[in-house]
Amino acid sequence: GAVVSQHPSRVICKSGTSVKIECRSLDFQATTMFWYRQFPKQSLMLMATSNEGSKATYEQGVEKDKFLINHASLTLSTLTVTSAHPEDSSFYICSALKTGRTHEQYFGPGTRLTVT
Amino acid sequence: QQQVKQSPQSLIVQKGGISIINCAYENTAFDYFPWYQQFPGKGPALLIAIRPDVSEKKEGRFTISFNKSAKQFSLHIMDSQPGDSATYFCAASTGGGFKTIFGAGTRLFVKA
Repeated sequence: GAVVSQHPSRVICKSGTSVKIECRSLDFQATTMFWYRQFPKQSLMLMATSNEGSKATYEQGVEKDKFLINHASLTLSTLTVTSAHPEDSSFYICSALKTGRTHEQYFGPGTRLTVT
Repeated sequence: QQQVKQSPQSLIVQKGGISIINCAYENTAFDYFPWYQQFPGKGPALLIAIRPDVSEKKEGRFTISFNKSAKQFSLHIMDSQPGDSATYFCAASTGGGFKTIFGAGTRLFVKA
């Protein structure tokens, strides 16, 4: 298998502050990681694709200046929610792409962000 | 054309029964079809996956049936257990997994 961790699992922050979420691939190297947002009882919404050593690719409608992504190494990608507002409260999930014959995505456990 | 349509939205099955979830796609460029299982408050976990060159893949109680001509694939959970109660997402990807489209999800409840 393949293990992806996320930290923190839960975070509460005040409106206007920034919060950083880390995503790590623990037992494999990942050139590509993905960041998703999931609303209650809904599917996963891809926010951006994170590529090691280069700029992230954001999906349409996702503000790149608000959701800063850094993929500094082959095992770590970070998502920083800047100037958070209550509407940013959500479940954020990362995944790491394990390349090989099938190129499988392995997901982290998710981070519950609450902005008060 | 990029959509993956998943049904049903929710499903209730008796313990020991068979759970069946269906997905359909339009883009014939998709070349990898995984299924994910997600428990509340957790990230999705890869359950089983299939490539279009085979029509069926079985792993334990989980089987994927794939119909390339109809552009449909389904997940069958045999001998369903209460512990299988979760949300299941089908997905389809192309381009080496760099673009994955997820279905809307099916909430499965297995009654004891």
